[in-house]
Amino acid sequence: GAVVSQHPSWVICKSGTSVKIECRSLDFQATTMFWYRQFPKQSLMLMATSNEGSKATYEQGVEKDKFLINHASLTLSTLTVTSAHPEDSSFYICSAGPGTASYEQYFGPGTRLTVT
Amino acid sequence: GDSVTQMEGPVTLSEEAFLTINCTYTATGYPSLFWYVQYPGEGLQLLLKATKADDKGSNKGFEATYRKETTSFHLEKGSVQVSDSAVYFCALGGSYIPTFGRGTSLIVHP
Repeated sequence: GAVVSQHPSWVICKSGTSVKIECRSLDFQATTMFWYRQFPKQSLMLMATSNEGSKATYEQGVEKDKFLINHASLTLSTLTVTSAHPEDSSFYICSAGPGTASYEQYFGPGTRLTVT
Repeated sequence: GDSVTQMEGPVTLSEEAFLTINCTYTATGYPSLFWYVQYPGEGLQLLLKATKADDKGSNKGFEATYRKETTSFHLEKGSVQVSDSAVYFCALGGSYIPTFGRGTSLIVHP
């Protein structure tokens, strides 16, 4: 089946620094990828839709200047958490689906971010 | 808008017990329905899916039937194992952006 990878799987950073998380589709091309945030024991919160070759679409309440998304190619999207704060600590998950209508999503293994 | 409602957890069972996790949905049109499983510390994995009414998705002993008349997609397994302990998410994907339920935690004791 389709495989989506994320890197790194976990990262610890200091307040005020920036962290980049990569999401790759390994065996298919994805014009659209999704970025989610998951708090402990809660469901996934959609943060943004990453579109290859154009600007990301952010959900209401998500700061676009803080969570920078770049979809540089059909197999790679990156999420950069800028000027990280402890409240940004969370589990970040990306997903992608083959084609432009993502009725079926394949998820990355997630990235655990801890900001100290 | 589209929404998914799952039963509250955690669901706690003994090994070999029968499992049902309820899921109902609200959607326009005819969405595809999915169950995802998330093991501790991991991302989501697609467990099974159904793309139209009366379809039955199945995988690893889990089953769910797409019931249009009751707008439900309940997850069942006849005999759970300790290794099934995880969080299960019901989701619908008929629109561009998938919609997830809140997740139901399953704990299986030996």
